[in-house]
Amino acid sequence: EAQVTQNPRYLITVTGKKLTVTCSQNMNHEYMSWYRQDPGLGLRQIYYSMNVEVTDKGDVPEGYKVSRKEKRNFPLILESPSPNQTSLYFCASSRDRASEKLFFGSGTQLSVL
Amino acid sequence: QQQVKQSPQSLIVQKGGISIINCAYENTAFDYFPWYQQFPGKGPALLIAIRPDVSEKKEGRFTISFNKSAKQFSLHIMDSQPGDSATYFCAASRSRFNAGKSTFGDGTTLTVKP
Repeated sequence: EAQVTQNPRYLITVTGKKLTVTCSQNMNHEYMSWYRQDPGLGLRQIYYSMNVEVTDKGDVPEGYKVSRKEKRNFPLILESPSPNQTSLYFCASSRDRASEKLFFGSGTQLSVL
Repeated sequence: QQQVKQSPQSLIVQKGGISIINCAYENTAFDYFPWYQQFPGKGPALLIAIRPDVSEKKEGRFTISFNKSAKQFSLHIMDSQPGDSATYFCAASRSRFNAGKSTFGDGTTLTVKP
């Protein structure tokens, strides 16, 4: 089954404790992206990747890091989480940068205390 | 500056009724307008999309109406069903450059009462 898999689904952590949210897709997609979803603000793009070793900032990159060492994986790293990063996070992928259809994961609900 | 404004924030419709969600955009360079449907606990999924060269696109009970001059587009759900209860997001992008870099609306929570 074609899918985008995120882990964990739920995560509670404390301020300053480094964490990683994993994202993996099995569709051989070139393009991958991270979004955060906050009430009243919709989905905002954090980082995206056009292909292996090619990443770029989205609209709200501050406080986040990403890496794309393999085509299928695109982890989101919070080096020093803060309470304002409490949010619902989604990973998405598409065939390539020109493809119009985004496939989303099921989301990761992060709470930073 | 929010580039895509979506309304209403929430909508309650009786089964069999018509649900209408509206979006307005500002950037005239946008050329791809998708709607996503999100069920609780799931990620958004592409529902239907339109390009500005047509004024309407219909897929089953779902229709997008597009008004280029007014920079507005809307989603119409005919014969709404309880299974349509979800959050709907409109989006806009310059698809030639980066389809994933869509600008999303704030979302509309639709409840269809049986």
